[in-house]
Amino acid sequence: QAVVTQEPSLTVSPGGTVTLTCGSSTGAVTSGLYPYWFQQKPGQAPRTLIYDTSNKHSWTPARFSGSLVGGKAALTLSGAQPEDEAVYYCLLSHSGDVVFGGGTKLTVL
Amino acid sequence: EGQLVQSGGGLVQPGGSLRLSCAASGFTFGGYWMNWVRQAPGKGLEWVANIKWDGSEIYYLDSVRGRFTISRDNAKNSLYLQMNSLRGEDTAMYFCMTTAGYWGQGTLVTVSS
Repeated sequence: QAVVTQEPSLTVSPGGTVTLTCGSSTGAVTSGLYPYWFQQKPGQAPRTLIYDTSNKHSWTPARFSGSLVGGKAALTLSGAQPEDEAVYYCLLSHSGDVVFGGGTKLTVL
Repeated sequence: EGQLVQSGGGLVQPGGSLRLSCAASGFTFGGYWMNWVRQAPGKGLEWVANIKWDGSEIYYLDSVRGRFTISRDNAKNSLYLQMNSLRGEDTAMYFCMTTAGYWGQGTLVTVSS
């Protein structure tokens, strides 16, 4: 089973920009791995932010965007708000082998 | 807007069985893959199983294959997870999730004697 890697923790200042990344032990992350990004706050179910690399749902704040950068999937937050403090998970699908990353704890401080 | 409402779960002894259900509304259930995801206390998310919109493809996490069975009934807009031969390491909050973007509220499964 593939291993999906994320930064364990990141800090961003209010109003600042931060990029979270998602890598795979099998090689470069491509759109064919259908990267997803989820946000989870304490005591809550996760919420889907991004699907298929860069697509947003109707509830996804415009300040979040998804892309591929340097062989990894990336989630960029532009103009961080205090309510964006959460754990962010990526998910990759390797031909039926679906794997979550370990999550990035994002602090807005 | 779509919604997933879960039921089932609870406390079970090692070796026991449980069935989780997930009822969908507000979106075209039969048009999307469905997933079960779990989260052990204080840990990250772990994918458990998924099923294609028509049930023609099913995949499992290695550690649950042969013990868990995912199924769906598109006529009832429902997803199921039959869990047999439960172990302590299966203790977790279980979530259903659709590629349409919606998550269930979660249901706690505790395997303990």
